[in-house]
Amino acid sequence: AQKITQTQPGMFVQEKEAVTLDCTYDTSDPSYGLFWYKQPSSGEMIFLIYQGSYDQQNATEGRYSLNFQKARKSANLVISASQLGDSAMYFCAMREGRRDSSYKLIFGSGTRLLVRP
Amino acid sequence: GAVVSQHPSWVICKSGTSVKIECRSLDFQATTMFWYRQFPKQSLMLMATSNEGSKATYEQGVEKDKFLINHASLTLSTLTVTSAHPEDSSFYICSPLGYEGGIDTQYFGPGTRLTVL
Repeated sequence: AQKITQTQPGMFVQEKEAVTLDCTYDTSDPSYGLFWYKQPSSGEMIFLIYQGSYDQQNATEGRYSLNFQKARKSANLVISASQLGDSAMYFCAMREGRRDSSYKLIFGSGTRLLVRP
Repeated sequence: GAVVSQHPSWVICKSGTSVKIECRSLDFQATTMFWYRQFPKQSLMLMATSNEGSKATYEQGVEKDKFLINHASLTLSTLTVTSAHPEDSSFYICSPLGYEGGIDTQYFGPGTRLTVL
């Protein structure tokens, strides 16, 4: 069963507007972490934001915020005031619990964001 | 932030040859290393997890005799694609596990683009 689901293969947003990228996850582990990464055309993976399952507040990092709805198992990324440089692939990822064999990042299929001038 | 290097950044080889990819964590020590593969327009798929000094654990469907992983030191891991074939052409990304800001953090190398003719 797929553990991380990103249902938007591609998104457009107008420059300076906000955009929400969807991510839902599935786990039975009470302890987990959710991550968002940006991958520009160069291929490098750029860490954006992290949300722990026990965190009480939604994570924010500059123009990035994570809309964490635990009951719905969703962790949507919100990018405010989009910039042309935000055009890239965005991946949601999850890591489950303890430092054992499951302690690894599993990625969703990604969303390609294109910012229009 | 942590610095991770991969060498080579790209390689073209003939079918049947072996290719070694090096991954170095330049300013931190990584006891655990993850290796991912990414086909064009797809997500990152975990290939294997290795701990320093131990044998790697491979994900289902990944041939351990084809993708040899060596994690001999805390700053160096290598992935060798043996007897490469065109279907092995992909973007290979290493991801050492570090620790930052109170959370275990997977950093990512810049990737190696392998093309097998």
